[in-house]
Amino acid sequence: EIVLTQAPDTLSLSPGERATLSCRASQSVIRNFLAWYQQKPGQTPRLLMYGASSRATGIPDRFSGSGSGTDFTLTIDRLEPEDFAVYYCQQYGNSPITFGQGTRLEIK
Amino acid sequence: QLQLQESGPGLVKPSETLSLTCTISGDSITSSIHYFWGWIRQPPGKGLEWIGVIHYNGNTYHNPSLRSRATISVDTSKKKFSLTLSSVTATDTAVYYCARQFHDPTHYGYFDSWGQGTLVTVSS
Repeated sequence: EIVLTQAPDTLSLSPGERATLSCRASQSVIRNFLAWYQQKPGQTPRLLMYGASSRATGIPDRFSGSGSGTDFTLTIDRLEPEDFAVYYCQQYGNSPITFGQGTRLEIK
Repeated sequence: QLQLQESGPGLVKPSETLSLTCTISGDSITSSIHYFWGWIRQPPGKGLEWIGVIHYNGNTYHNPSLRSRATISVDTSKKKFSLTLSSVTATDTAVYYCARQFHDPTHYGYFDSWGQGTLVTVSS
């Protein structure tokens, strides 16, 4: 199975700054079939991105995704207070579907 | 607006079978050939683990790490799908989410709508 490793485990930033979250796959993700989710404390995960760079419905354009092959990035520009959460990547090109371990984005 | 709601016991004894149901409202299980319906779990304080999914035509995909303990079924008439997980141990303690998965023949799908989740504790 494809193992996804996210970095860093925790990222401390201030509102207004830019966040860069990494997701690295143990083997190439077929056709960049990679998604990102946001999970706030006590809440359900929410789909942010799919296909590595396509925003899901209702996701603001300060969220962007990039990458291909084994290296993917989620960038959040101009952090808002509501953006501080845990972010997970997920690959869906190979079975079994796998998730990364998560990056916690916390307020500095 | 699609809503999914998990239901089932919050406490299961070791070696017994965990059974959960997800009820759909605001949409139909058969609304699109591209939708699978599935289960993901999250142990307390940990990350997400995919359990498996089912299509309304009965096709299923499961995570092999669960070694065939997981069974997913669907009742299209009742707008429900279910998960059973046999021979549970403490490591099966988790929040269990049901979710809708967008899937097409080129990939295994991402999850675009989730239930609120239900905590299942395995303990005697």
